[in-house]
Amino acid sequence: NAGVTQTPKFQVLKTGQSMTLQCAQDMNHNSMYWYRQDPGMGLRLIYYSASEGTTDKGEVPNGYNVSRLNKREFSLRLESAAPSQTSVYFCASSLSSWGAFFGQGTRLTVV
Amino acid sequence: KQEVTQIPAALSVPEGENLVLNCSFTDSAIYNLQWFRQDPGKGLTSLLLIQSSQREQTSGRLNASLDKSSGRSTLYIAASQPGDSATYLCAVRGDMRFGAGTRLTVKP
Repeated sequence: NAGVTQTPKFQVLKTGQSMTLQCAQDMNHNSMYWYRQDPGMGLRLIYYSASEGTTDKGEVPNGYNVSRLNKREFSLRLESAAPSQTSVYFCASSLSSWGAFFGQGTRLTVV
Repeated sequence: KQEVTQIPAALSVPEGENLVLNCSFTDSAIYNLQWFRQDPGKGLTSLLLIQSSQREQTSGRLNASLDKSSGRSTLYIAASQPGDSATYLCAVRGDMRFGAGTRLTVKP
């Protein structure tokens, strides 16, 4: 029962480097989400995908791109990392109007 | 654009007290509302999910209510315990917008 799996769990990047955060779910959910969590600010939606082949911007999409590779996988890419992107990133999935399940998070530091 | 607000931001209570956490939202056209718990440095654990057609859900010592017309939900925790100490977050579906959370401390 893996649920939602995020990789990597920790990452340190230098300013200007690029990387892709991976997320996979094994629950056959149609919707997937990427959030960032900063101290005192709750979770802010970066991008979401309501179904395979569709993606939409959330509250804070600037500096990020996403790919819904198939129904299981939803990746988040930072093309040129900036210190302001230091955060904890969470991936989530849900089925229609049912509840969401979250991964354990990726702690990213950009120096 | 949906705005979700949680009050209070932090709450400290002695063990055994009953308490209420509040969540308000600006757009009543929602599919559901979900309450989560987050322990420091951890991911989110789902506590309760209320569909838009429901008015409340209960799980053990937890009870969540939903009033779409007023844009409010409450999470009631009965007989609080030190193990309840965590941050509690509400999320509104639509596109799953979160409040900033309420950090709860229950003192022994």
